[in-house]
Amino acid sequence: NAGVMQNPRHLVRRRGQEARLRCSPMKGHSHVYWYRQLPEEGLKFMVYLQKENIIDESGMPKERFSAEFPKEGPSILRIQQVVRGDSAAYFCASSELQSSVSGYTFGSGTRLTVV
Amino acid sequence: DQQVKQNSPSLSVQEGRISILNCDYTNSMFDYFLWYKKYPAEGPTFLISISSIKDKNEDGRFTVFLNKSAKHLSLHIVPSQPGDSAVYFCAASARGAQKLVFGQGTRLTINP
Repeated sequence: NAGVMQNPRHLVRRRGQEARLRCSPMKGHSHVYWYRQLPEEGLKFMVYLQKENIIDESGMPKERFSAEFPKEGPSILRIQQVVRGDSAAYFCASSELQSSVSGYTFGSGTRLTVV
Repeated sequence: DQQVKQNSPSLSVQEGRISILNCDYTNSMFDYFLWYKKYPAEGPTFLISISSIKDKNEDGRFTVFLNKSAKHLSLHIVPSQPGDSAVYFCAASARGAQKLVFGQGTRLTINP
């Protein structure tokens, strides 16, 4: 198991297009978290999911952003009608247990550039 | 509202000396604190953590100190090595919360 896998590593989208970011958690991990890092800032929590359930989406922008973690397959972060301000690094983390911030493992991130 | 603050964007230290990275927080509900190290184009890597019931935790060259009354924590690296050059993030979580609140990061450069 190579750890948390995110793809693509780099994604370029024109304004108005859709961006789909994928995250495969570590084997045995059923909890997935998405964070966004804007340039020169720290990571900011977006959403926490378990299989087929959104547990906490308090950090998600109200419009254009959605996330899912289906029973089979990776977690997907979807950004519709992207704007320049969506350009950022998006990191996914996974953990085995609930209440396990100490058990987070981060992926290498997807760098989204909106042109 | 920046609940976790790292006021030094960068720090430069001579190889072999001690590196001290600082972090302040405002939310008294935070009870668990972590330090992450991040290289360019990679995700954050967990370094060391501390629970609010402790005031110190040590792991090899890395020691984290927590001062709850001052709402301040620090990471000490001694001796500093060139491979320690990276961005260091302080993060905090509240009891029962599934999410981390990160500081802005401090870029540490170790000079040979």
